Amino acid sequence: DIQMTQSPSSLSASVGDRVAITCRASQSISNSLNWYQLKAGKAPKLLIYTASSLESGVPSRFSGSGSGTDFTLTISSLQREDFATYYCQQGYIVPWTFGHGTKVEIK
Amino acid sequence: QVQLQESGPGLVKPSQTLSLTCTVSGGSISSDNYYWSWVRQPAGKGLEWIGRIYTGGSPNYNPSLKSRVTISVDTSKNQFSLRLGSVTAADTAVYYCVRGYGFPSFFDYWGRGTLVSVSS
Repeated sequence: DIQMTQSPSSLSASVGDRVAITCRASQSISNSLNWYQLKAGKAPKLLIYTASSLESGVPSRFSGSGSGTDFTLTISSLQREDFATYYCQQGYIVPWTFGHGTKVEIK
Repeated sequence: QVQLQESGPGLVKPSQTLSLTCTVSGGSISSDNYYWSWVRQPAGKGLEWIGRIYTGGSPNYNPSLKSRVTISVDTSKNQFSLRLGSVTAADTAVYYCVRGYGFPSFFDYWGRGTLVSVSS
């Protein structure tokens, strides 16, 4: 299985901050990397697919970059509604695998 | 707007079979472009992909669960289902049903999830 290593596991930030979350795959996955936002009691939300494509309806402050093994999710100006847990996921080879998550908390 | 809704018992006894159904609305489960998956999240842990099925195709399962899992689809009801046998406390988790798309693959619609506890 492809292992996905996400960092940091948690971070504290203020509204307006720029935030970056990284994800590293144990082998090359080309651009087959997706990012999701999870909030308690709500359906998880796809933010970014194929490394850098913004899902329809997702604010443009979210962006993704990377290819091969190293990827980054960036939130350019953190908003209150962005406090949540974020997961990366590789869609290259079955079994699909996820990172362990990054919890973004209010400072 | 596609919506997915999980349903099924919230409590299952050890060694028994966990059964969940996902009802899809706002779109056809028979669409060629999509597959249908289950993902779970134990409390305090990360996400684990369980398996997927295409309508008219063979399912794929996570090898870690393959011996205990069955995913099936009922196109007449626009539903798909999960059965997980011989459950233990380690199978206690929030279970999500998910729509997946193509290759490279991603999950574009998720249900809200349902908590299933395994306890006697």
